[in-house]
This record gives sequence, C-alpha cells and structure tokens, in this order.
Amino acid sequence: DIQMTQSPSSLSASVGDRVTITCRASQGISNYLAWFQQKPGKAPKSLIYAASSLQSGVPSKFSGSGSGTDFTLTISSLQPEDFATYYCQQYNNYPPTFGPGTKVDIK
Amino acid sequence: EVQLVESGGGLVKPGGSLRLSCAASGFIFSNYIMNWVRQAPGKGLEWLSSISTGSNYIFYADSVKGRFTISRDNAKNSLYLQMNSLRADDTAVYYCTRGLGSSGWYGDYWGQGTLVTVSS
Repeated sequence: DIQMTQSPSSLSASVGDRVTITCRASQGISNYLAWFQQKPGKAPKSLIYAASSLQSGVPSKFSGSGSGTDFTLTISSLQPEDFATYYCQQYNNYPPTFGPGTKVDIK
Repeated sequence: EVQLVESGGGLVKPGGSLRLSCAASGFIFSNYIMNWVRQAPGKGLEWLSSISTGSNYIFYADSVKGRFTISRDNAKNSLYLQMNSLRADDTAVYYCTRGLGSSGWYGDYWGQGTLVTVSS
C-alpha cells in the first residue's frame, strides 16, 4: 500500500496568515492527489483534486500543487471558517489511502 | 443539488451484522462509481470499498474483505454495505461518497455519515 504522510500534524495560525501543508506519498502517484477539509462532527468536504484542480464552489484562497511524491495545500489568507483538519488522499493505486491529517487551529 | 444520505447505523454486538444504506439524489446515480469510507472515533479516514456503475467491478480494503459486501440498486438510486462478523474495531462513522475519475476512488461528494458501534 502507498503510505501518505502529512506535515505538520498540527499548526497554530492567526486569521490572515498564509498556511502551507505538505503531503508526501511513499511512491509516485502522478497527480492523483486530493485534499479534504473536515470540521468537528461534520463529514469531510472535497477541496482539491488532481493535485491542483479546485472543486466546484471552493474559494480560490485554497490552492494545491505538486506531482509525483510531494504535494502542498496552501490557504492564502486564513479565515475563521478555515480552522479544521485537512487530509490528503492518493487515488492512483489500490487501495486508495489517506494521510493522517493536519489540524489547523487558532493561535 | 447532490445529496447522499446514509442510514442503518446503530449498536451491534461483536459477531453481529448490519446493513447500511445510502440514498442518492441530485445526480444520475447510475453514471457514477460509489464508495464507502469510514472514520473511527478520533481517527483518520479509511477507504473501504468501491463499486462500478454496473456492479461489474468491486474493490475492498483488506480490513473488510470477506466480511463486508458492497452493492447498489440503480433503479432505487441506492448504495448498500452489508457488514458481517463485526468487530470492535469496526466502530466508526461510515460515509458514502460519489466517485470521480477512472478509478472512482476520489469522492467529490460525501454523505453526513452514520455511526456504527460494535460493543457487547
């Protein structure tokens, strides 16, 4: 199975900060990488697919980049509604696997 | 509007069975691969199973292979997960997702989830 790692596992940031989360795959997955946001008690919400394509309805403050094994999710200006846990997922190889998550909370 | 609504969760004893359902609306259900994903309390996300549009291609995670069965009824716009031989570590919120891409393993829409608790 492809192992997905994320760093950091948690971070504290202020409103207006630029935040970057990294996701690494244990082997190359081309650009078959998605990002999800999950708030407490809620279902995950899709943000980005194909490493850099914004899901419909997702604000442009979210962006993704990368290919192969290394990927990033950037939030350009953190807002109160962005405090959540973020997960990456590879869907290139069976079985599809998720990263352990990065919790973003308020500094 | 795409909607996925799971049901069927609850408390079950170890070794017991449960059948989850996912009612889909707002899109042409028969055109999409569908998935089940779960999340144990306080833990991360785990993909469990996917089913192709015509039920020809079915995949399972090793953790549930031989115990869980995914199925769909395109006439009823519904997805199912039959769970047998349940164990304590199957306790989780179970989500259905609509799949995109050639594999369908990327879920662009998720239901609200249904909680399954396995305990004596």
